[in-house]
Amino acid sequence: DIQMTQSPSSLSASVGDRVTITCRASQSIRFYLNWYQQNPGKAPKLLIYAASSLQSGVPSRFSGSGSGTDFTLTISSLQPEDFSTYYCQQSYSTLFTFGPGTKVDIK
Amino acid sequence: QVQLVQSGAEVKKPGASVKVSCKASGYTVTNYGISWVRQAPGQGLEWMGWISGYNGDTNYAQKFQGRVTLTTDTSTSTAYMELRSLRSDDTAVYYCARFSGRLQPFDYWGQGTLVTVSS
Repeated sequence: DIQMTQSPSSLSASVGDRVTITCRASQSIRFYLNWYQQNPGKAPKLLIYAASSLQSGVPSRFSGSGSGTDFTLTISSLQPEDFSTYYCQQSYSTLFTFGPGTKVDIK
Repeated sequence: QVQLVQSGAEVKKPGASVKVSCKASGYTVTNYGISWVRQAPGQGLEWMGWISGYNGDTNYAQKFQGRVTLTTDTSTSTAYMELRSLRSDDTAVYYCARFSGRLQPFDYWGQGTLVTVSS
């Protein structure tokens, strides 16, 4: 199975900060990397698919980049509603796997 | 609009089975697959398996092979996840999620079903 790692596991930031989260795959997944946001008690929500494509309705302050094994999710200016947990997921293999998550909280 | 509505919370004893349903609406179910993902309390997301809405093909995470069965009833647009031989560490919220095919993300999710395993 393809293993996914994320860093950091958590971070503290302020409103307006630029935030970057990294995801790494154990083998090349080309650009088949997706990002989800999950708030407590809620289902995950798709933010970015295919490494850099913004899901419909997602604010443009979210962006994704990368290919192969290394990927990043960037929030250009953190808003109050962005304090949440973020997961990466590979869809290159039919045995889907998620990263362990990155929790973004208020500094 | 696309909706995935899951069945309600369950409490089961160790060794029992649970069957969670996921009713789809707002799209043609034979054009999409359904994945199942679980989340133990305070933990991350764990993919369990998927089923094709087109032909019923399935694929399971090795961890759940032999203990989980995914089925679908296209006449009612409902997918099911049955997990057997429940243990306390199966206590989790179970989600269904839609995807349009190989390589694609999970674009819509159900609201989640809490399964509690306790003696």
